[in-house]
Amino acid sequence: GAGVSQSPSNKVTEKGKDVELRCDPISGHTALYWYRQSLGQGLEFLIYFQGNSAPDKSGLPSDRFSAERTGGSVSTLTIQRTQQEDSAVYLCASSLVPGGVEAFFGQGTRLTVV
Amino acid sequence: GESVGLHLPTLSVQEGDNSIINCAYSNSASDYFIWYKQESGKGPQFIIDIRSNMDKRQGQRVTVLLNKTVKHLSLQIAATQPGDSAVYFCAENMGNTDKLIFGTGTRLQVFP
Repeated sequence: GAGVSQSPSNKVTEKGKDVELRCDPISGHTALYWYRQSLGQGLEFLIYFQGNSAPDKSGLPSDRFSAERTGGSVSTLTIQRTQQEDSAVYLCASSLVPGGVEAFFGQGTRLTVV
Repeated sequence: GESVGLHLPTLSVQEGDNSIINCAYSNSASDYFIWYKQESGKGPQFIIDIRSNMDKRQGQRVTVLLNKTVKHLSLQIAATQPGDSAVYFCAENMGNTDKLIFGTGTRLQVFP
């Protein structure tokens, strides 16, 4: 596709359930980022994938959060045993080269934990 | 966690005036800075970037200024238009880690 695609666009889940959020980056982009944005706040870095290198997971807030990127393309962010404080918009971005040069964002997934 | 800019101020400007949005960054080793615009309900959109070996870069109606001495970044928007109303974020590339770290942003409101 022409841009970064995220699905679902909205997700409502019950506390304690697991959720999977998907990101389809722009074709050929080697760098992929996940961010979390709470209402009215900035973007909190979660994880960064670059090519075949080990991902930078330093932003994941707890061991309930994990992410993978299969075949250097699609990425899935998984949140286990969701909590209400996990409610936020989860944004994915990709860029052609390392370092976030002209990183393009998807529309995000709005997660609501009830 | 790591952050650039700790507040979410609001800047209100009249249509046609120039806007200046400021940002303080944290890492003197950062070598790449970006400004993003985020409209309500949308993902951030790239506006302009600047490398640390530059102190000024101009785009269409926008100019980014970098002052490494005081670790300050600014975005100037000329002849601000209603369509410029959004939240603006600065971001820094954390040098050798390649992470992009964002601040909390500034809300720009343009009134007629």
